[in-house]
Amino acid sequence: NAGVTQTPKFQVLKTGQSMTLQCAQDMNHNSMYWYRQDPGMGLRLIYYSASEGTTDKGEVPNGYNVSRLNKREFSLRLESAAPSQTSVYFCASSEGKYNEQFFGPGTRLTVL
Amino acid sequence: AQSVAQPEDQVNVAEGNPLTVKCTYSVSGNPYLFWYVQYPNRGLQFLLKYITGDNLVKGSYGFEAEFNKSQTSFHLKKPSALVSDSALYFCAVRDGNIKDTNAGKSTFGDGTTLTVKP
Repeated sequence: NAGVTQTPKFQVLKTGQSMTLQCAQDMNHNSMYWYRQDPGMGLRLIYYSASEGTTDKGEVPNGYNVSRLNKREFSLRLESAAPSQTSVYFCASSEGKYNEQFFGPGTRLTVL
Repeated sequence: AQSVAQPEDQVNVAEGNPLTVKCTYSVSGNPYLFWYVQYPNRGLQFLLKYITGDNLVKGSYGFEAEFNKSQTSFHLKKPSALVSDSALYFCAVRDGNIKDTNAGKSTFGDGTTLTVKP
C-alpha cells in the first residue's frame, strides 16, 4: 500500500496563478482532510470531506476550493495564489471521524 | 469550540532519561485525543490515541500518554529517551459529541520540538 500520496512535492507560483494539489489514498478511508503547516502555528484545517460527495470548511478555507472526486481522491485548488498561501500542505485520511489520520508527505508551495 | 495547548515549544532531555511532552485541551463534549510525530521533511505519523477506557494509553516506539480528565491534560511520556526520538510532536483533539457540527474536525497544537542529546 502506498498510503496517502500527494503531487507535486514542490511548487513555485507567481501571485495570481492557479494550481491544484492532488491527493489520493489507497486505504479505502471515508474521510479526507487538507491542512496547511506554517512555522509556529501547527497544522490548520483548510477543508475536510467526511465521506464521498461531501465537503466542509475548516479553520482557514478562504482562498481555497476542494473537490472530492471519488472515494480515493481529494484535490485542493488555489484559484488566485497569494504570498500568504506560501506554506506546506498536507493531505490526510482516516477511516472515520474518530480515528487516527494518515498523512501524505506534503507539498511545499512558495508564492512569489 | 475545541482547542489544544502545548505549553513548551522545546523540550531537551539526555538520552536514557525519561521524557514528558505536555498537552492540555478544551472541548465541549467528550475528548478524543491523539499524539503524532513529525520527522524533518515528512508527514505526521500517528503515535497513540485516547478514545475511552484506561487513562494510560500505550503506543508506538515505547511512548505512552496519560489522560487526566480533571486537569484536561494528555501528556506524552517515555521512560527512557533515545536520540532517534528527536522530532516535532503534535497533540490533537476532536470533540466526541456527535451532535456537534465540528465533530469531524481535528484541532492540532502548535507542536513541541523534542531534542534528545547523547
